[in-house]
Amino acid sequence: AQSVSQHNHHVILSEAASLELGCNYSYGGTVNLFWYVQYPGQHLQLLLKYFSGDPLVKGIKGFEAEFIKSKFSFNLRKPSVQWSDTAEYFCAVSTTDSWGKFQFGAGTQVVVTP
Amino acid sequence: EAQVTQNPRYLITVTGKKLTVTCSQNMNHEYMSWYRQDPGLGLRQIYYSMNVEVTDKGDVPEGYKVSRKEKRNFPLILESPSPNQTSLYFCASSLSRTGGSYEQYFGPGTRLTVT
Repeated sequence: AQSVSQHNHHVILSEAASLELGCNYSYGGTVNLFWYVQYPGQHLQLLLKYFSGDPLVKGIKGFEAEFIKSKFSFNLRKPSVQWSDTAEYFCAVSTTDSWGKFQFGAGTQVVVTP
Repeated sequence: EAQVTQNPRYLITVTGKKLTVTCSQNMNHEYMSWYRQDPGLGLRQIYYSMNVEVTDKGDVPEGYKVSRKEKRNFPLILESPSPNQTSLYFCASSLSRTGGSYEQYFGPGTRLTVT
């Protein structure tokens, strides 16, 4: 069975700093990859997704992620964070041979200080 | 407004008392799913449904039941709740029958406490 690991559980950084959140998955086949964000008191919402094609994907709010197949990684980046990026971030994976099943990482709580 | 709704939003109950958490979507989505969120564990999938009358287990189905009798609704049933089912529950839906190719839209969550 596939699994997803997120390297950091808590990240604290100042406004304008760069953010990178790590995500690794364990599965040898074709995967679909997602990053979701949960702002305080709000629903989870999709930041970006990768299915195929260009391994560098851009999402909403200035976020991007890079799929590196050889490293089984899908790291999330933002060059300059804002206070409003304070949220919990989840990496998720689904596979083409198990449609409908999703694995989420444990999440990374990001706090951006003014 | 396109949305996924869950009811109730908060529930405190006692061990063994059957309960149902409802989930409804108004987007004509084929795929629906239930997750539980626990600190340090992220979201774990309980059950999912590819379409009406088609359901399958996720990673943590024990102690839960689901049904999909109509497209818009996907209730989660706890026949005999136990304290280890205290959690935050999310329902989600997605357009595609395959589920994996399209983003999931999440409901607001139901916080369940079983004493």
